[in-house]
Amino acid sequence: DTEVTQTPKHLVMGMTNKKSLKCEQHMGHRAMYWYKQKAKKPPELMFVYSYEKLSINESVPSRFSPECPNSSLLNLHLHALQPEDSALYLCASSQITRDRGREQYFGPGTRLTVT
Amino acid sequence: AQSVTQPDIHITVSEGASLELRCNYSYGATPYLFWYVQSPGQGLQLLLKYFSGDTLVQGIKGFEAEFKRSQSSFNLRKPSVHWSDAAEYFCAVGVLRGGGNKLTFGTGTQLKVEL
Repeated sequence: DTEVTQTPKHLVMGMTNKKSLKCEQHMGHRAMYWYKQKAKKPPELMFVYSYEKLSINESVPSRFSPECPNSSLLNLHLHALQPEDSALYLCASSQITRDRGREQYFGPGTRLTVT
Repeated sequence: AQSVTQPDIHITVSEGASLELRCNYSYGATPYLFWYVQSPGQGLQLLLKYFSGDTLVQGIKGFEAEFKRSQSSFNLRKPSVHWSDAAEYFCAVGVLRGGGNKLTFGTGTQLKVEL
């Protein structure tokens, strides 16, 4: 099973709302990722979790708050977002390894619209 | 720093024709290379990967890619395109970072298939 699931599929939120995106994988992967993808652009890395600890934050604004409650789950908490944060948010997972070639498996994404 | 260039933003081919999507990379060490495909509003699906060994790699859906170190290229090919292959294609190079595997993507090539 190489599936990464994400909920919700679509989310519309106001700039004062608080919402969360969820991601789950059952492949035993110990690295999990959040990406942001704007229309007609490649995905941009936001965060990397390694063994449930945050290992990379690509200078993401604090209105995005990631959380990894266990080895299978990854959340992205959203608060006070701006309209320019509207995008497709992708979750991915991979094995932990010194081999750079380990592939990432992506979920279907959450389409976020900030009004 | 690593980088990936996909020189073709859009490509249109007729169904049944052959396809080649170009990818050039820049990386100081042995690269680990990937091709992903993304249908509109969907996540990314891994087509194939190159780690080492045979420079011609086979992937899913009848795709293959050839690694050419001398040309810093990793072009994707398919002998006969199907209408369902219409999608966005991303080439990526992977580097180990933060316990995970950071992917740097090219800007993508949009494939249109004419019936």
